[in-house]
Amino acid sequence: EIVLTQSPGTLSLSPGERATLSCRASESVSSTYLAWYQQKPGQAPRLLIYSAYNRATGIPDRFSGSGSETDFTLTISRVEPEDLAVYFCQQYGTSPPCSFGQGTKLEIK
Amino acid sequence: EVQLLGSGGGLVQWGGSLRLSCAASGFTFTNYVMSWVRQAPGKGLEWVSSLGGSDGRAYYADSVKGRFTISRDTSKNTLYLHMSSLGAEDTAAYYCAKGYYDSLRAPWDNWGQGILVTVTS
Repeated sequence: EIVLTQSPGTLSLSPGERATLSCRASESVSSTYLAWYQQKPGQAPRLLIYSAYNRATGIPDRFSGSGSETDFTLTISRVEPEDLAVYFCQQYGTSPPCSFGQGTKLEIK
Repeated sequence: EVQLLGSGGGLVQWGGSLRLSCAASGFTFTNYVMSWVRQAPGKGLEWVSSLGGSDGRAYYADSVKGRFTISRDTSKNTLYLHMSSLGAEDTAAYYCAKGYYDSLRAPWDNWGQGILVTVTS
C-alpha cells in the first residue's frame, strides 16, 4: 500500500500569506491519481484538486496543485480566514484501496 | 444539484449490527461509483467500501471485509452499508461519497454529511 506523508502537521499563517502544503508518497504516484481535499471543522471533506493540478468545480483559483511522482504540493496563494481547515491528500491510482495522508491543519492567526 | 443525505447512525453495542443509508439525488445513481469513507474521532480518512456504478461490483477494505456489506436500491437511489460484528475500532463518522466518474480510480466530488456511529461495550 502506498503511504502518503503530509507536512507540516500544522501550519499557522496570517491572512494574505502563502500556504505551501506537502504530500510525499512512499512510491511513485501518477499525477492523474492525486487529489487534495479540504475539511472544515464539523463538515464533510470537499474536493479541491484532482489529477494533481485540476481545480474542482467552484474552487477559487488561489488554490493550486503541483508535483509529480513522489512529491506533490497544494498551494494557497493568499490565505483567507475561511481557509481554516484540515487538508488531506489522496492517491487513488491503486484503488481499491486508495490511501490518504494524515492531514495538515491550517490555522489562521 | 447533487445531494447525499445520510442516516441510520447511533449507539450500538459491541458485537452488534447497524445499517447506514445514503439517499442520493441530482444525478444518475448507476453512472458513478459510490463509496463509504469513515473518520474516527480526531483522526484521518479511511476508505471502507465502494460499489461500482454500472456493474454493481462491491469492494471492501481489509479492516471490514466479512463484516460489512455495501448495497444499493436503484429504485430509491439509496446506498446502504450494513455493518455487523461491530467493535470499538468501528466508532467513527461515516460518509457516503460519489465518485467523479464510474471508476474506482477517481476522486470523490460530492460527500454526504457524516453519520456518527458509536460502538459501546
